[in-house]
Amino acid sequence: DAGVIQSPRHEVTEMGQEVTLRCKPISGHNSLFWYRQTMMRGLELLIYFNNNVPIDDSGMPEDRFSAKMPNASFSTLKIQPSEPRDSAVYFCASSGQALYGYTFGSGTRLTVV
Amino acid sequence: LAKTTQPISMDSYEGQEVNITCSHNNIATNDYITWYQQFPSQGPRFIIQGYKTKVTNEVASLFIPADRKSSTLSLPRVSLSDTAVYYCLVADDKLIFGTGTRLQVFP
Repeated sequence: DAGVIQSPRHEVTEMGQEVTLRCKPISGHNSLFWYRQTMMRGLELLIYFNNNVPIDDSGMPEDRFSAKMPNASFSTLKIQPSEPRDSAVYFCASSGQALYGYTFGSGTRLTVV
Repeated sequence: LAKTTQPISMDSYEGQEVNITCSHNNIATNDYITWYQQFPSQGPRFIIQGYKTKVTNEVASLFIPADRKSSTLSLPRVSLSDTAVYYCLVADDKLIFGTGTRLQVFP
């Protein structure tokens, strides 16, 4: 199993541009989570899906952020327009059963200049 | 969601046993206690999970007293490669990370 796959690994973009982060969860996992990590705020849960349905998006910072999961093998997190304060490492994780071992991807390091 | 409290940092030396204690006074009946490890530039990695009493796997042991208001992660004979941030979490459906404990292992 290749694990949770995120792309790109690094993204540098200019303020105001649209950014799309991608995630392929582990096959068979029915829960998918997007986290953001910064030095100041630590690891924050942004949104999570269960069986492709968004369950809790209360962590999404504002309307500039949106996430979709069109099928069980793919999810995107989009930021439009991006701002410098969005600079962070974004992690995707998937789980087969609640709490029993989330598997995290390697993350996408986003820098907005 | 139950709030957890754990030390911000700990230091140890190679070969020693390290115990990291986490307080979760408001843990709910359905909550499990889960510990994750995170190395720099990597995502967190699941270490161990328990509900009550003691759980042991090839990496660590988890001790949970009867009242479940605290838990202790025990790492036997740490090595330099155990230097990482360790997170204690309690929840029943989704994981909310706190600040974690930064463990530094010295030679």
